[in-house]
Amino acid sequence: DVKVTQSSRYLVKRTGEKVFLECVQDMDHENMFWYRQDPGLGLRLIYFSYDVKMKEKGDIPEGYSVSREKKERFSLILESASTNQTSMYLCASVGLMTYEQYFGPGTRLTVT
Amino acid sequence: AQSVTQPDIHITVSEGASLELRCNYSYGATPYLFWYVQSPGQGLQLLLKYFSGDTLVQGIKGFEAEFKRSQSSFNLRKPSVHWSDAAEYFCAVARPLGNEKLTFGTGTRLTIIP
Repeated sequence: DVKVTQSSRYLVKRTGEKVFLECVQDMDHENMFWYRQDPGLGLRLIYFSYDVKMKEKGDIPEGYSVSREKKERFSLILESASTNQTSMYLCASVGLMTYEQYFGPGTRLTVT
Repeated sequence: AQSVTQPDIHITVSEGASLELRCNYSYGATPYLFWYVQSPGQGLQLLLKYFSGDTLVQGIKGFEAEFKRSQSSFNLRKPSVHWSDAAEYFCAVARPLGNEKLTFGTGTRLTIIP
């Protein structure tokens, strides 16, 4: 069974802290994505990666960075967390040219 | 730029009744089209997808969707809903032969009443 796992289901951080959200997939997928989900706004793409060490900005990259050192792992980094980054963060992976994204369960991040 | 509109924020349906969730898209050509479902506390799961061919697409859990080019729509339907269908539903589009990036609508929350 395909699987995308995220390091935490719930996370509470303070303003200004550096935050790491990790995502691991076991499907040998090339492409991986980070979204944030907010009520009334749906899913918005933060960053995606189409290969190891390759990344592209999505629609809302400001305040975020990413790292992909290994094919199975894609990390989202909040360099200095702010309260407006309180949100649900979803990771997804997809095989080349299949278009079927597999999602992790999400991390609900609260920044106080 | 492509965009997706789901005009209904929240829909309430009685168990056993039929369901239709609306999705309209804006794109220069025919995009690839998707419906995802998000059950409470879970990630998204693909219900069905349309790339080309037959405009009526069957998916999992008894769902189907119809692509109508003239209306730029891809509405999701189910003839008889079950309480377990209560969830949030997202329509999404992708550029054909692109980089698998999806653009999502804002979602429709479905409530089922007994």
